[in-house]
Amino acid sequence: SQTIHQWPATLVQPVGSPLSLECTVEGTSNPNLYWYRQAAGRGLQLLFYSVGIGQISSEVPQNLSASRPQDRQFILSSKKLLLSDSGFYLCAWSGPGTSGRNEQFFGPGTRLTVL
Amino acid sequence: AQSVAQPEDQVNVAEGNPLTVKCTYSVSGNPYLFWYVQYPNRGLQFLLKYITGDNLVKGSYGFEAEFNKSQTSFHLKKPSALVSDSALYFCAVISSGSARQLTFGSGTQLTVLP
Repeated sequence: SQTIHQWPATLVQPVGSPLSLECTVEGTSNPNLYWYRQAAGRGLQLLFYSVGIGQISSEVPQNLSASRPQDRQFILSSKKLLLSDSGFYLCAWSGPGTSGRNEQFFGPGTRLTVL
Repeated sequence: AQSVAQPEDQVNVAEGNPLTVKCTYSVSGNPYLFWYVQYPNRGLQFLLKYITGDNLVKGSYGFEAEFNKSQTSFHLKKPSALVSDSALYFCAVISSGSARQLTFGSGTQLTVLP
């Protein structure tokens, strides 16, 4: 069966510090991968998605970047965190392809607090 | 463009009563529709989806949803609510054949009262 992992689970960082959040998927090949941010426990904002190694699409211009160094690894980074980067970060995967039919499966999330 | 609306921020229902969480959508083309549930400080869990075919879709934990093309709605329903159903529910849509990604609604907090 497929599983998705995110770490760390919680993170408290000072403004201006770097960030690296990691997401890995097991039990599937060539998944589509996604990074979302959820602010104030409500709406989800798609940040990045990837349909393959090294292929990253950005949905919102911002202080963050993403990379996919391996098929089942997706990393969210920042060189200098802002207060507005605080939130709940969710990684998700779906089956390969671009039809949109495949449901997404979400990881447990990382709670980031920037002070 | 594609969008989804969940008109109710909060829905309260008594345990044992039927529940409905509303969702309406707007897409150009045929929609693919999804419902997800989120428990506190957890990731989203997939409940069900409509792609094509039967308008009534059955999903996990006894939930079902009805696709209504004329009303552009995809309401989530359950015949008898449980206290454990209390959670945040998200509707999502994507237009078939579109280069867009999934668009989520703002979420509806369901509280089932014992």
